[in-house]
Amino acid sequence: RKEVEQDPGPFNVPEGATVAFNCTYSNSASQSFFWYRQDCRKEPKLLMSVYSSGNEDGRFTAQLNRASQYISLLIRDSKLSDSATYLCVVRPPSGTYKYIFGTGTRLKVLA
Amino acid sequence: EPEVTQTPSHQVTQMGQEVILRCVPISNHLYFYWYRQILGQKVEFLVSFYNNEISEKSEIFDDQFSVERPDGSNFTLKIRSTKLEDSAMYFCASSPGAAAYNEQFFGPGTRLTVL
Repeated sequence: RKEVEQDPGPFNVPEGATVAFNCTYSNSASQSFFWYRQDCRKEPKLLMSVYSSGNEDGRFTAQLNRASQYISLLIRDSKLSDSATYLCVVRPPSGTYKYIFGTGTRLKVLA
Repeated sequence: EPEVTQTPSHQVTQMGQEVILRCVPISNHLYFYWYRQILGQKVEFLVSFYNNEISEKSEIFDDQFSVERPDGSNFTLKIRSTKLEDSAMYFCASSPGAAAYNEQFFGPGTRLTVL
């Protein structure tokens, strides 16, 4: 099983649509989770951290299910500017500093 | 807003040559990282650095790679003898601490092309 697994997509959705991405991780002791956004040939930028209780930031909602070892990202009312690759990032158990990235899910929002 | 900077943005080199990629982390950050992303693939961890020494490295980070913080502001990645498969985007990152919630901030990357 891959350490962090995502559906690569692409997800092509019309403007205004709601879209959801999932990500699974293999190490049940992983300590923290993030969604990053990456535009073509640019650096990853933090979209949001993912907390056990779930969290929301405007149109974006992130959920963590530790029992099933998956993380989700929901984008409501998609904008053209949301077109990007969304990277699921997991920080392994304490004692390590690295991030483990998923391959990313490509989103294209169509006019 | 403070940001991580990297130079050069694009480096082209011949196989077997040495390259040095430069990064200036955010000034009050204590932890520094290098990642790479081969075109079309995922971002992969190379090395983390704290208190002037390597704190963790991946299998990719073999003897051809080294890191240094030569002057208190720059953080460099050296590849001693480049191979074709070293062609990738190299991202530097920094974080204020190592706690689980600490975000890593990424620089814009250096695209390395090995011919």
